[in-house]
Amino acid sequence: EDKVVQSPLSLVVHEGDTVTLNCSYEVTNFRSLLWYKQEKKAPTFLFMLTSSGIEKKSGRLSSILDKKELFSILNITATQTGDSAIYLCQAGTALIFGKGTTLSVSS
Amino acid sequence: KAGVTQTPRYLIKTRGQQVTLSCSPISGHRSVSWYQQTPGQGLQFLFEYFSETQRNKGNFPGRFSGRQFSNSRSEMNVSTLELGDSALYLCASSPTTNTGELFFGEGSRLTVL
Repeated sequence: EDKVVQSPLSLVVHEGDTVTLNCSYEVTNFRSLLWYKQEKKAPTFLFMLTSSGIEKKSGRLSSILDKKELFSILNITATQTGDSAIYLCQAGTALIFGKGTTLSVSS
Repeated sequence: KAGVTQTPRYLIKTRGQQVTLSCSPISGHRSVSWYQQTPGQGLQFLFEYFSETQRNKGNFPGRFSGRQFSNSRSEMNVSTLELGDSALYLCASSPTTNTGELFFGEGSRLTVL
């Protein structure tokens, strides 16, 4: 059975901290791993990773995929209150999501 | 370009009733997928439609059904509602199936009393 596991499920940090969110997966016909941010209702796309070891970056956010160990991490440096959200990991083609990590950043 | 539109945004039903939710994808997108989101459970995959055909189905009872029309608009139906069906139902579209980024609608918040 396909599955995606995210950890931690929730996290509370102070502004300026660096956080690492984890996503491990076991899916058949893996093609890509995607990260989304959900602030209120609609999740919005952050990254899509298809190749192992290649880091994707967007501002303070970065992500990398390890296809041998079947996991990905999402790093957020110098966190801000606007980073407070649920971060979702999805294994592509399977349309399977993890339960998400709820990040709360306090000022 | 208009985003994914879901209607209604909020609705309240009682146990035993049925409900139909609608999703209009981004113009040109032919794949539509549906998800149930409840606190602590993340997004649980319901089904995916592409060119009016159901391609994949999640592990939900037969009370949950869906369809896609020739214009790619999709509906999902839940019959004989139970209290546990209370959730945010999200629809997502993408240009084709088995490709990357999903574009989500704002969701339909269903409350079953």
